[in-house]
Amino acid sequence: AQTVTQSQPEMSVQEAETVTLSCTYDTSESDYYLFWYKQPPSRQMILVIRQEAYKQQNATENRFSVNFQKAAKSFSLKISDSQLGDAAMYFCAYLGGGADGLTFGKGTHLIIQP
Amino acid sequence: NAGVTQTPKFQVLKTGQSMTLQCAQDMNHEYMSWYRQDPGMGLRLIHYSVGAGITDQGEVPNGYNVSRSTTEDFPLRLLSAAPSQTSVYFCASSYSPLSGRTDTQYFGPGTRLTVL
Repeated sequence: AQTVTQSQPEMSVQEAETVTLSCTYDTSESDYYLFWYKQPPSRQMILVIRQEAYKQQNATENRFSVNFQKAAKSFSLKISDSQLGDAAMYFCAYLGGGADGLTFGKGTHLIIQP
Repeated sequence: NAGVTQTPKFQVLKTGQSMTLQCAQDMNHEYMSWYRQDPGMGLRLIHYSVGAGITDQGEVPNGYNVSRSTTEDFPLRLLSAAPSQTSVYFCASSYSPLSGRTDTQYFGPGTRLTVL
């Protein structure tokens, strides 16, 4: 079974600074997808960014980018120019080739200091 | 386009009561799933469906039933609620991961369930 590990239960960053959230995963599959979801206090799960494992280029969405290291099974999220609205729980998630849904990490609570 | 909708948003049950959490999507997604989120943990898969008439168990299926009679709806039933089922429940949908199309899962707003 796949596992996803987020080793940082909580991170704090000053507004306008850059922060990196870590995620590692374990799988024997070669074709899969990785995601970062944001969960603000409203509890809505919001997709931040996705990465297909077959793509070597790291995904980017505005201020959000990933560092995908397939051999190391690492998938970190970098948030540039942090804003107060970025404060939330961030979950890393894995989706394999089968139909058995997403495997989530336990989350990182991101605090933005004004 | 409402996306994924869930009702109710909040629910309090007594031990032994039954109830159904509703989930609907209007994106013509084949794949639908239910997750639960407990404090300090990520979401865990309860049941999923790859299309109408087809359901299967996820990581934590005990105490829950599902059925899928239409593409749009995927209700989750608690037959005899227990305090261990106190959690936040999320429904999600996507194109089928078996179809080769994009399979980003879109989530509903969640239902907070408390079992006393």
